[in-house]
Amino acid sequence: DAGVIQSPRHEVTEMGQEVTLRCKPISGHDYLFWYRQTMMRGLELLIYFNNNVPIDDSGMPEDRFSAKMPNASFSTLKIQPSEPRDSAVYFCASSRLPGQNSYEQYFGPGTRLTVT
Amino acid sequence: GIQVEQSPPDLILQEGANSTLRCNFSDSVNNLQWFHQNPWGQLINLFYIPSGTKQNGRLSATTVATERYSLLYISSSQTTDSGVYFCAVVTDSWGKLQFGAGTQVVVTP
Repeated sequence: DAGVIQSPRHEVTEMGQEVTLRCKPISGHDYLFWYRQTMMRGLELLIYFNNNVPIDDSGMPEDRFSAKMPNASFSTLKIQPSEPRDSAVYFCASSRLPGQNSYEQYFGPGTRLTVT
Repeated sequence: GIQVEQSPPDLILQEGANSTLRCNFSDSVNNLQWFHQNPWGQLINLFYIPSGTKQNGRLSATTVATERYSLLYISSSQTTDSGVYFCAVVTDSWGKLQFGAGTQVVVTP
């Protein structure tokens, strides 16, 4: 398996622009997670999906952030409008059903977002 | 929510040295994972270890769930071991990971 795939790997945009980050989870994984990593706050969970349905979006910082999972193999995280404080590395991760004796999560390479 | 504390925050090692990293957590957990974030930013799975002991090459980990801590051992460290080591725990049935702040490891030649 190719692992979790994220695109783009790097994104530089100007304040006010829309940014869309993409993720393809590992095939057969039912859970998908979006995390953000900053120096100040470390790694924090933004939102996660089970079988394409959002379960908990309480970590999404504000309404400018939205996430979708239209099918089992694709998810997007959108920021509109972007602000300089959104600059961070955004990770996507996936895992199997917890009942299958494994909560182990696998992370993608991340998207480094810079908003100027 | 659960507190995850890692120690030490920073560690400088001479190549070939051994070290122990610690992760304390404030509540019972369903899962615990150790990750290595390399200098390129990739998060690499090291261990999935809610309890017991596991070994993988020069690395091993032990989790004592009843006492709410986990240890990561690095033996015969190499420069490629440099990076940040994260402990992360799951306390709910959905698998949400709560990360510690990490231990920054620098291995010098």
